[in-house]
Amino acid sequence: AQTVTQSQPEMSVQEAETVTLSCTYDTSENNYYLFWYKQPPSRQMILVIRQEAYKQQNATENRFSVNFQKAAKSFSLKISDSQLGDTAMYFCASHHQGGKLIFGQGTELSVKP
Amino acid sequence: GAVVSQHPSWVICKSGTSVKIECRSLDFQATTMFWYRQFPKQSLMLMATSNEGSKATYEQGVEKDKFLINHASLTLSTLTVTSAHPEDSSFYICSAREVTSGANVLTFGAGSRLTVL
Repeated sequence: AQTVTQSQPEMSVQEAETVTLSCTYDTSENNYYLFWYKQPPSRQMILVIRQEAYKQQNATENRFSVNFQKAAKSFSLKISDSQLGDTAMYFCASHHQGGKLIFGQGTELSVKP
Repeated sequence: GAVVSQHPSWVICKSGTSVKIECRSLDFQATTMFWYRQFPKQSLMLMATSNEGSKATYEQGVEKDKFLINHASLTLSTLTVTSAHPEDSSFYICSAREVTSGANVLTFGAGSRLTVL
């Protein structure tokens, strides 16, 4: 079975500092995608960053970057220069054949002024 | 970019009645849509995969006779919660993948909050 695990239910960070959210996954597929989604209080799911498993280079989107360790099945998200608007639930997800996403439990991130 | 509209955003119904939630892809065609359920402070749990022109594929433990899914066109999927009970109260989210998209990126609707009294 495909699983995604986020072991940090809650995290907090001071504004302008850096925080890393952890995620591990398990899959039997060779070609897959990994995602981080943000869910602010509005509940709208917003794509933060995407990683293709066959690419060794870690994905980066402005202040957001990932540390993808394929052998360890680890996919952490680093947020640099944290902003108050980054406060949200963050979900790690893996994409599988057929298109469905499997989500981790989520990490509630609070950015403090 | 791709937009998915979900309606209604909030609905209250009496126990025993049925409620329909619509999911529309506004500017793209989607052969496949997905329905998720989210309880407060919890993750999104996949309920079913909605396939245009064919029967939906339900995840293990999801009652297909209770959660009816219809995907009649390339831009519309509906979820009907039949004979709703208070335990069905939840946040329901749909997502869709553009037919021509090779990026495997899903676009999510804003969700529908169902409260069953």
